Amino acid sequence: EAAVTQSPRNKVTVTGGNVTLSCRQTNSHNYMYWYRQDTGHGLRLIHYSYGAGNLQIGDVPDGYKATRTTQEDFFLLLELASPSQTSLYFCASMDWGETLYFGSGTRLTVL
Amino acid sequence: QQKVQQSPESLIVPEGGMASLNCTSSDRNVDYFWWYRQHSGKSPKMLMSIFSNGEKEEGRFTVHLNKASLHTSLHIRDSQPSDSALYLCAASMTGNTGKLIFGLGTTLQVQP
Repeated sequence: EAAVTQSPRNKVTVTGGNVTLSCRQTNSHNYMYWYRQDTGHGLRLIHYSYGAGNLQIGDVPDGYKATRTTQEDFFLLLELASPSQTSLYFCASMDWGETLYFGSGTRLTVL
Repeated sequence: QQKVQQSPESLIVPEGGMASLNCTSSDRNVDYFWWYRQHSGKSPKMLMSIFSNGEKEEGRFTVHLNKASLHTSLHIRDSQPSDSALYLCAASMTGNTGKLIFGLGTTLQVQP
């Protein structure tokens, strides 16, 4: 099965802090995604990419930057983190059949 | 407004019973549907996909799709306690390769 690895698993930061969430996939998938999951809002797409150096804007991009440095690596950056960004973040990659493979998630708390 | 709407919000069925979950899109540009399952504390995993009108069966799971009404349903027969999970419906848009929109999900509880 496709492997997507996220780090860290848990992160606590303070309001105004900088946070970088990392994601690596070893499946040679072109597409990679960052979602956040919140009760009452479901899974919402933040940013996605179809290859190294490419970035596409998702549905809830405000306050987030992302960078795809290689085919394998996709990073989500929160500059000046706010409590509203407290959430469970999932990274995913997509195969040619448009199936998403999710990582284990990063639980972020912004105090 | 959610582009992908799921019902019911939660569902309790007895072990061995039938669970029926629904998903509808309000966007005429929706093309394909997926069903993902997310056990508590875990990440979502794709359960079934359906791209054309009709029915598709895999073991105890059956999905239906009516493209005219943009409605899909997932039916689980002989439900097991291990089926207890959040079921997420996802849709992709025509010409929007790679972007999936998720519904809020249906929480299924199978009682032994």
